[in-house]
Amino acid sequence: QVQLVQSGAEVMKPGASVKVSCKASGYTFTDYFIHWVRQAPGQGLEWMGWINPKSGVTNYAQKFQGRVTMTSDTPISTVNMELSRLQSDDTAVYYCAREYGGNSFIWFDPWGQGSLVTVSS
Amino acid sequence: DIQMTQSPSSLSASVGDRVTITCRASQSIRNYLNWYQQKPGKAPKVLIYAASTSQSGVPPRFSGSGSGTEFTLTISSLQPEDFATYYCQQSYSNMYVFGRGTKVEI
Repeated sequence: QVQLVQSGAEVMKPGASVKVSCKASGYTFTDYFIHWVRQAPGQGLEWMGWINPKSGVTNYAQKFQGRVTMTSDTPISTVNMELSRLQSDDTAVYYCAREYGGNSFIWFDPWGQGSLVTVSS
Repeated sequence: DIQMTQSPSSLSASVGDRVTITCRASQSIRNYLNWYQQKPGKAPKVLIYAASTSQSGVPPRFSGSGSGTEFTLTISSLQPEDFATYYCQQSYSNMYVFGRGTKVEI
């Protein structure tokens, strides 16, 4: 079945960088974009950006430009999201999700299980 | 950027109730609107895409409607497993903004 499996929880110091990975299985990895969405504790969903795993082209939300880097490792069907200059308000669960759709409509399905990133001194 | 506003932010309802959640876009997004359900500690799951098309396997009590700037998600008869948070998301632009969510509580 189509599945996205993410890396484990991380505890980071302020100012550091974190890399979260998302390994895809059950479909042709290069056929679908991967998006990243985060959710701070008790808060809503915040879209961060997407990557085309085939070309490596990315599109980031303005809020994260200059601080986020999404990369694709095609041989191992894995997408990585690195966020730099971490602050306490970056504490959140980070999700990857596959873009799916047809006839110009797009939605996210499935999602990874989420990776908790805690930023604390 | 397109902004998505959901209302209410939370609601209390009973099993069997009809529940309606509203999502408004800051500009027309035609019918490029998705609805997701999220339960505590779990990733979101898509319920509705293209404003009114149900994802495979979603119970028929869930329905979506609307176009342009105003959309609704309706649960015709609330079931115990429907207590969750619901999010709308626009896919008209390539900045896939979500609404702030509606928590459906007992």
